[in-house]
Amino acid sequence: EAGVVQSPRYKIIEKKQPVAFWCNPISGHNTLYWYRQNLGQGPELLIRYENEEAVDDSQLPKDRFSAERLKGVDSTLKIQPAELGDSAVYLCASSFHGTGEKNTEAFFGQGTRLTVV
Amino acid sequence: EDQVTQSPEALRLQEGESSSLNCSYTVSGLRGLFWYRQDPGKGPEFLFTLYSAGEEKEKERLKATLTKKESFLHITAPKPEDSATYLCAVQAGTYKYIFGTGTRLKVLA
Repeated sequence: EAGVVQSPRYKIIEKKQPVAFWCNPISGHNTLYWYRQNLGQGPELLIRYENEEAVDDSQLPKDRFSAERLKGVDSTLKIQPAELGDSAVYLCASSFHGTGEKNTEAFFGQGTRLTVV
Repeated sequence: EDQVTQSPEALRLQEGESSSLNCSYTVSGLRGLFWYRQDPGKGPEFLFTLYSAGEEKEKERLKATLTKKESFLHITAPKPEDSATYLCAVQAGTYKYIFGTGTRLKVLA
C-alpha cells in the first residue's frame, strides 16, 4: 500500500517568490495534516482537514499561507510571498478516525525541504 | 495549555547499553500518546500508540509505557541502527497532534 506522497522533495526559492507543495494522503484517510518542522524541533501543526473542511488552521499564517483540499483527497499548501524564516521541512500526514472509534495514528510523508534565499 | 516535554535532548549509548527516553505531558482530554522515529531527511515513522495509564507496547528492542503524566520509551540492548530522533506526540480532544522536540539518540558500535 502506498504511503503519504509529497512533492517536491526539495525546493530552493528566492525570498518574495511563491511556492507550492502537494500531498496525496493514504487512500481512505479522511484527516489530513500539514506540519512545519524547523531544524532540531518537533513538527508544528499548520492546518488540519477533516475531509475537505479545514477544522483547525489557528497556527497557519494566513497573510501569506493558504491551503486547500479539493474533494477531500489531495491537498496543496502555498506560500506567497516566501520569507527567509519560512525555510523548514513541510510535512504532510494523514489518518482516519470516525465516530466511536479509537484514534488512528497519523502516517507522514517524506516532507518537502524548503530553502528560501 | 497542552504541552509535551521530552528528555534528554540527546543521548549517546554504547551498543548494548540499555536506557530510557522520557516524555512528560500536560493535556486536557488525552485521546492517545504516540511515539515516532525520525531518521535524517525523512518523515516521522510511527512506532506505538498508548491510550491509557498502565498500557505497554513492545516492538523488537523498544518498549513504551504510559502513566497519567508521562511516557517512557525503553531501549533494550540497542544497536547502531536504532540511532535516530524519537518523537513523542499527544492527541487531545480535537484530534490535533502536539509534538515534543524529540530525543536524538546515537548508538555507538
